[in-house]
Amino acid sequence: EVQLVESGGGLVQPGGSLRLSCAASGFTLSDHYMDWVRQAPGKGLEWVGRSGNKANSYNTDYAASVEGRFTISRDDSKNSLYLQMNSLKTEDTAVYYCASLSGGKGWGQGTLVTVSS
Amino acid sequence: QAVVTQEPSLTVSPGGTVTLTCGSSTGAVTSGHSPYWFQQKPGQAPRTLIYGASNKHSWTPARFSGSLLGGKAALTLSGAQPEDEAEYYCLLSYSSGRRIFGGGTKLTVL
Repeated sequence: EVQLVESGGGLVQPGGSLRLSCAASGFTLSDHYMDWVRQAPGKGLEWVGRSGNKANSYNTDYAASVEGRFTISRDDSKNSLYLQMNSLKTEDTAVYYCASLSGGKGWGQGTLVTVSS
Repeated sequence: QAVVTQEPSLTVSPGGTVTLTCGSSTGAVTSGHSPYWFQQKPGQAPRTLIYGASNKHSWTPARFSGSLLGGKAALTLSGAQPEDEAEYYCLLSYSSGRRIFGGGTKLTVL
């Protein structure tokens, strides 16, 4: 069964760091472009960033709101995608989803990140 | 930074047809923007309905179709069902490598 499962969310203070994980099963993650998308409480979707696939050398792009603070990486041995979030701000509070937008592997269920003192 | 615009809300009658649109502040939306359409119901993760303007996934109901129309991306729902009531988002890709979501359209089937 094809599945994406995010983990690593939680409560963090402003200025802190957190690393989110997205574990894939049922398919080889390295073959696919993957995106991170977030949704603040009661708000719309916001694109966070994208990682290309292995053939694309895992090239990354980021939204202006997170560039320089967030980093997307992968571990092929674990079939996993990561989002390292540094210098967190209260406005980063959201549910974070990993998704295979065009690859037909769907979205994860999301993990909640709360940035608050 | 570009702004992607969608109708805030639309209403369609059961069995009726409705078209949602997605525009860009930078000009006409083209296939180069690789438009996506997503459906999200309350309390659920989004799901991808359309990619590359008009391509469907295996789970996309046949009553949904995507196109480019009048300089915008469009999502047409033909034969609306009560279960189609949801929030719909479009996503456009730009030459910078960045992608931007529209603000979403709340579709009511009534």
